[in-house]
Amino acid sequence: DTGVSQDPRHKITKRGQNVTFRCDPISEHNRLYWYRQTLGQGPEFLTYFQNEAQLEKSRLLSDRFSAERPKGSFSTLEIQRTEQGDSAMYLCASSLGTSGENRETQYFGPGTRLLVL
Amino acid sequence: AQSVAQPEDQVNVAEGNPLTVKCTYSVSGNPYLFWYVQYPNRGLQFLLKYITGDNLVKGSYGFEAEFNKSQTSFHLKKPSALVSDSALYFCAVRPPGGNNRLAFGKGNQVVVIP
Repeated sequence: DTGVSQDPRHKITKRGQNVTFRCDPISEHNRLYWYRQTLGQGPEFLTYFQNEAQLEKSRLLSDRFSAERPKGSFSTLEIQRTEQGDSAMYLCASSLGTSGENRETQYFGPGTRLLVL
Repeated sequence: AQSVAQPEDQVNVAEGNPLTVKCTYSVSGNPYLFWYVQYPNRGLQFLLKYITGDNLVKGSYGFEAEFNKSQTSFHLKKPSALVSDSALYFCAVRPPGGNNRLAFGKGNQVVVIP
């Protein structure tokens, strides 16, 4: 399967702990996105990379959140000092960076469900 | 800022009947519009998109959607619903150029009754 993959699929942690999630995009895609989805809501944009450059961050991305894409391939999202309000599904998506209509479609991974106790 | 409204929380339809899931949007300029479907504990699967051209777009699994600029709508339709279409459907919008973020609606739960 050459789709977007995310690891882990589920994470349970205690408040105050740090967690890190990984996303592997579709191999030829140079754009990568992180979204957060809470119960009963649509996904909310967190941040966006083109290759290794982080080009946009949402106000939702507090100082406790940091995302990296060091070699322009996989990405990590770290949450420091987790809070119960961080409990959500964290979704990663990727898209082509070339011109044309195909570059506009974001393909999503299965998500990482985080529960902070 | 762009926004999407999906006015109905749940859509119930009998198997074999037409299915419509409504979406209206607010964005400057000519929008890019998308529909995604989400099954329980899964990520979002792309169904179809409108970028430019023909207002009626066809997508995966027999779904189609019509872009109506005057009504700022992009309703999702399927002529004959299947039980397997029961899922959560999300409409999303992004303005052309620059900003790459998608703004999603809150989603519609579709229940297809056998």
